[in-house]
Amino acid sequence: GNSVTQMEGPVTLSEEAFLTINCTYTATGYPSLFWYVQYPGEGLQLLLKATKADDKGSNKGFEATYRKETTSFHLEKGSVQVSDSAVYFCALTGGGNKLTFGTGTQLKVEL
Amino acid sequence: DTGVSQDPRHKITKRGQNVTFRCDPISEHNRLYWYRQTLGQGPEFLTYFQNEAQLEKSRLLSDRFSAERPKGSFSTLEIQRTEQGDSAMYLCASSLAGQNTEAFFGQGTRLTVV
Repeated sequence: GNSVTQMEGPVTLSEEAFLTINCTYTATGYPSLFWYVQYPGEGLQLLLKATKADDKGSNKGFEATYRKETTSFHLEKGSVQVSDSAVYFCALTGGGNKLTFGTGTQLKVEL
Repeated sequence: DTGVSQDPRHKITKRGQNVTFRCDPISEHNRLYWYRQTLGQGPEFLTYFQNEAQLEKSRLLSDRFSAERPKGSFSTLEIQRTEQGDSAMYLCASSLAGQNTEAFFGQGTRLTVV
């Protein structure tokens, strides 16, 4: 079956530091890949997505590239802000567009 | 439209009681999904509807769980004879049908079984 593995948190960074959160997946077929973000007290929000190999999803300074050869979709941001503090979930779609999520990575950005 | 809304936001119940949660999706969305999230884990798929038809149920969904979407609009998730292991956040999401369409999530209902 489908599965997603992402790096464990929490990750603590200073403001303006570079962020990488690793995500690898196992899936049959050609899934679409997603990063969702959950800010404190809020629901899950789509951050970015990529629907086929070599696609790059980007939003709010975050980027992730769909790497079929390494089955990865790592999330990066060049300069994080305190407001980026949240839990980040890597996910993929199976049949019916149902999502399979990783366990989430908590990011804390400090001044 | 204010997005996906779920009610109640929090529910505390005694073991053995029945509980029912409601989800109101974005009005034009014909797909509706239920997920469960426990502490420190990602959401896990439970079931989904396209219009009023329940198209798939996860093996996580024991026979104590039942979901309905009677008119293809709002949905309810009922848990009968609750157990402490049912304590979790129950998330609802909706989307348009079609490949790779974005799912919009509600804020969830947090269930605590004591």
